[in-house]
Amino acid sequence: NAGVMQNPRHLVRRRGQEARLRCSPMKGHSHVYWYRQLPEEGLKFMVYLQKENIIDESGMPKERFSAEFPKEGPSILRIQQVVRGDSAAYFCASSPTNGQGRTEAFFGQGTRLTVV
Amino acid sequence: GESVGLHLPTLSVQEGDNSIINCAYSNSASDYFIWYKQESGKGPQFIIDIRSNMDKRQGQRVTVLLNKTVKHLSLQIAATQPGDSAVYFCAENILTSYDKVIFGPGTSLSVIP
Repeated sequence: NAGVMQNPRHLVRRRGQEARLRCSPMKGHSHVYWYRQLPEEGLKFMVYLQKENIIDESGMPKERFSAEFPKEGPSILRIQQVVRGDSAAYFCASSPTNGQGRTEAFFGQGTRLTVV
Repeated sequence: GESVGLHLPTLSVQEGDNSIINCAYSNSASDYFIWYKQESGKGPQFIIDIRSNMDKRQGQRVTVLLNKTVKHLSLQIAATQPGDSAVYFCAENILTSYDKVIFGPGTSLSVIP
């Protein structure tokens, strides 16, 4: 059973370009969480999605950032018109339930975005 | 508002010694706490968790202690090994129905051979 797969592992974008980060959850997991980690800092929650639904996007910047988790295919975190401040590691986690019973969420290896 | 913070940003220990990493939280509504280990270039890895109805939980070489009175959490690693070198995060699960967690800033543990 493969773990949470994120790609690409490293992404370089020029200012103003778009960045698309992909996350394939573990098999059987229908709940996906995205986090952002700045250098030397902890992870900050961005968004929680179930298949075809955004449940909690309280950590998402109001502009330029969007996320989706379609019925088929990976979850996508999209950043439009990237700026240097978007440079960070973006982690995805998945879990099989909504957390009742406190099921452990498994993290991917992250995508390291560098904006030049 | 809720927050999770760590007392020590860095910690160096001799191989074979015990390590203690501390964490403070401020949200009394939190009912579930998790310790994660993050090695360089990798994602966080679950170590151990504890619910608020417990004050101690043991795993393999690790023990988590929870003191709800002072809102304090600690991770004890017995017989620290070089492979334990990493950044350790405590995280709290706010009282909702899903696995959203709030992470602290992290403590970097260095094991001296």
